[in-house]
Amino acid sequence: AQSVAQPEDQVNVAEGNPLTVKCTYSVSGNPYLFWYVQYPNRGLQFLLKYITGDNLVKGSYGFEAEFNKSQTSFHLKKPSALVSDSALYFCAVRDLSGAGSYQLTFGKGTKLSVIP
Amino acid sequence: ETGVTQTPRHLVMGMTNKKSLKCEQHLGHNAMYWYKQSAKKPLELMFVYNFKEQTENNSVPSRFSPECPNSSHLFLHLHTLQPEDSALYLCASSQDGTENNEQFFGPGTRLTVL
Repeated sequence: AQSVAQPEDQVNVAEGNPLTVKCTYSVSGNPYLFWYVQYPNRGLQFLLKYITGDNLVKGSYGFEAEFNKSQTSFHLKKPSALVSDSALYFCAVRDLSGAGSYQLTFGKGTKLSVIP
Repeated sequence: ETGVTQTPRHLVMGMTNKKSLKCEQHLGHNAMYWYKQSAKKPLELMFVYNFKEQTENNSVPSRFSPECPNSSHLFLHLHTLQPEDSALYLCASSQDGTENNEQFFGPGTRLTVL
């Protein structure tokens, strides 16, 4: 079975400060990991993914995430937060050993509020 | 969102009504998905179609009936729903059903069941 935990329901950060949105996962094999963002009244938008290779993944809008296998984490980061980054962020995982399954397991989401 | 569109954006229906949600993707993808998003709960995958064939049905009640006439269109037929079915229903598509393809989401249909 695969699962994702986003331990924080809400993260508040001042504009211009670095931000981190946490994600930990559990899979039986190797993971594919994704981050999505959801703005109000919109669908989810893909930010970045980790498949293999470099543990630091760069994505859209200046976001990056670091895959840490020993800590089973995939935290989302940005060096300098913008007010426009305020949104709901979802981490998702797929277990490579889940042969034939297309199922992504999503976390509950973390609401990011960037304060001007 | 011109990539994946969903209609209607909002729907209010009684428990005895029959309605349908429509999704269309303009990305040339071969896999399409229905998700249910309820407040403070993780996204729930409902159905997956890959090359027009249903490949997953995550124990969804029969009052939800999907239809995929071609790779660009996906429907969710609704009948005799319950108030707890009120949620945001999201459609998504991906290049195909392989593991490393990201999914592209529509804006969703906000469904309220009275």
